[in-house]
Amino acid sequence: AQSVAQPEDQVNVAEGNPLTVKCTYSVSGNPYLFWYVQYPNRGLQFLLKYITGDNLVKGSYGFEAEFNKSQTSFHLKKPSALVSDSALYFCAVRDPGANNLFFGTGTRLTVIP
Amino acid sequence: KAGVTQTPRYLIKTRGQQVTLSCSPISGHRSVSWYQQTPGQGLQFLFEYFSETQRNKGNFPGRFSGRQFSNSRSEMNVSTLELGDSALYLCASSLARSQETQYFGPGTRLLVL
Repeated sequence: AQSVAQPEDQVNVAEGNPLTVKCTYSVSGNPYLFWYVQYPNRGLQFLLKYITGDNLVKGSYGFEAEFNKSQTSFHLKKPSALVSDSALYFCAVRDPGANNLFFGTGTRLTVIP
Repeated sequence: KAGVTQTPRYLIKTRGQQVTLSCSPISGHRSVSWYQQTPGQGLQFLFEYFSETQRNKGNFPGRFSGRQFSNSRSEMNVSTLELGDSALYLCASSLARSQETQYFGPGTRLLVL
């Protein structure tokens, strides 16, 4: 069975500091991993994905994520946080046999000015 | 290119009623998936339609149903509404099925009284 864990409900970081939002996964077969962000009263916006290839994936708005197969992790990172990055972040894994996504419980990121 | 659109954006119903939500995918996208988002259960997959056929279904009761039209627009229907059906319903579209990114609409917020 596919599952995703986001161990931190809340992450606080000072503006300008690097940020990390953690995600670990469990899948049978090759993992297809995604990060989405949700702003208040909005749907999910796609940030980046890992399908295959380089372990470091670059995405929108300066975000990147590192795929680590041995640790089954896919942490989201950004070198310098902005106040506008404050939002709810979801990690997701695709069911390899279908097209649906399994989401983590989300991590609320707050960037403090 | 226009994004995924969902109508209506907000809806208030009473228990026992039924509701129909609509989703128009990004032009050219043939796969449409529906998800339910609640504070308690998080994001959960409802079903996926591809070329007018339901290809995958999540673990929801039969009160939840959907369909897809030849122009890839999709509707989901919930009959005999319960208080617990109050949620944000998100629609996502993708080009095909495997390895493609799902792009989400803004959602329909349903409140059942």
